[in-house]
Amino acid sequence: LAKTTQPISMDSYEGQEVNITCSHNNIATNDYITWYQQFPSQGPRFIIQGYKTKVTNEVASLFIPADRKSSTLSLPRVSLSDTAVYYCLVGGAGGGNKLTFGTGTQLKVEL
Amino acid sequence: KAGVTQTPRYLIKTRGQQVTLSCSPISGHRSVSWYQQTPGQGLQFLFEYFSETQRNKGNFPGRFSGRQFSNSRSEMNVSTLELGDSALYLCASSFVQRGVNTEAFFGQGTRLTVV
Repeated sequence: LAKTTQPISMDSYEGQEVNITCSHNNIATNDYITWYQQFPSQGPRFIIQGYKTKVTNEVASLFIPADRKSSTLSLPRVSLSDTAVYYCLVGGAGGGNKLTFGTGTQLKVEL
Repeated sequence: KAGVTQTPRYLIKTRGQQVTLSCSPISGHRSVSWYQQTPGQGLQFLFEYFSETQRNKGNFPGRFSGRQFSNSRSEMNVSTLELGDSALYLCASSFVQRGVNTEAFFGQGTRLTVV
């Protein structure tokens, strides 16, 4: 299984764009990149998944360079409610099975 | 559409006892996975059930077991509880499409405290 490396923590202010980068040097050809968000004492919540280039949905964008050895989760105009732990996962398509979570990135958003 | 429901939300047990946790997946989701989350080890995969069969298993001792019923509801059992089993136990369900699990939807978890 590909190992992921993310910053342990990040700080931001409301209204700013936040970019969290994840390194996955050993990603396999058929691996997808998936991001989950977790609030304290709650289960993780799926944010976005991608294979290559750029994926965008209503809450985030995911940028994946051609070599796929890293990816960047972009959260536009964060608010206090975006304070959470963000996990980058690498694995099979769909992103819903036998998930391997790393340590995640604790994002703290302040006024 | 109801989300993933886990019961109970909180549980306190004594060392040596056993415990059973329950998970009701989202309607139509036939895959149910269980995870353990602790401050020291983070989120770890326990096992996955699909169509009443265990399809994947993580690296946990045999004291951790589970099952799935015909309505896709799942239970997880931990026998001979140890202090280190204190954790948040999360259940996730997902839809399986052409053999591939789509995104996982997690429940609120069961907070187990072993004293």
